[in-house]
Amino acid sequence: DSGVTQTPKHLITATGQRVTLRCSPRSGDLSVYWYQQSLDQGLQFLIQYYNGEERAKGNILERFSAQQFPDLHSELNLSSLELGDSALYFCASSPSGGGSFRDYTFGSGTRLTVV
Amino acid sequence: AQSVTQPDIHITVSEGASLELRCNYSYGATPYLFWYVQSPGQGLQLLLKYFSGDTLVQGIKGFEAEFKRSQSSFNLRKPSVHWSDAAEYFCAVGAENQGGKLIFGQGTELSVKP
Repeated sequence: DSGVTQTPKHLITATGQRVTLRCSPRSGDLSVYWYQQSLDQGLQFLIQYYNGEERAKGNILERFSAQQFPDLHSELNLSSLELGDSALYFCASSPSGGGSFRDYTFGSGTRLTVV
Repeated sequence: AQSVTQPDIHITVSEGASLELRCNYSYGATPYLFWYVQSPGQGLQLLLKYFSGDTLVQGIKGFEAEFKRSQSSFNLRKPSVHWSDAAEYFCAVGAENQGGKLIFGQGTELSVKP
């Protein structure tokens, strides 16, 4: 157990729907990062939140959004889902806002299947 | 922009043979370098990481990697492969001026022949 908790582990939904993926960071970590792993794009960074604020943005679609709550858990919202959004979504956490990778920890991921 | 290249998409080695997986990165300063392993349907497990200091890094499961600045490489090695090492391996780079994001290579799938 890495200490980073992602729920649900698996999610199957239809095209056009909206889903929410949840991530609870390791205790004491202030940053949460979201990554998408798909067959087409590989593993790519989506977005980072630090202590409730957006810190960095990657290749995140406009249909996707995220937020980090006061208790530091984060949610990734995916809307108007398309077949191509089927992927493994990872969350990672770290103690600081960036530039220090010493305690960077990944969760086990949420597998999203869009049918 | 930072990038990571893993030239080999798929490698097959015999059990007991040595292994080297290649990784080249593009980054202006000294990067933070990582190797992760992923078994089918599983999450990412950190094998080892390099931040500074000794350029030969030891990791878990008998893996090691060597940072070569002149070649912008961080190749992963193991002297004797076990069947359980069959998995996908990802090299990643973290850039200090890019916040906390990691940039991953496309991965190398390792198959092990009995």
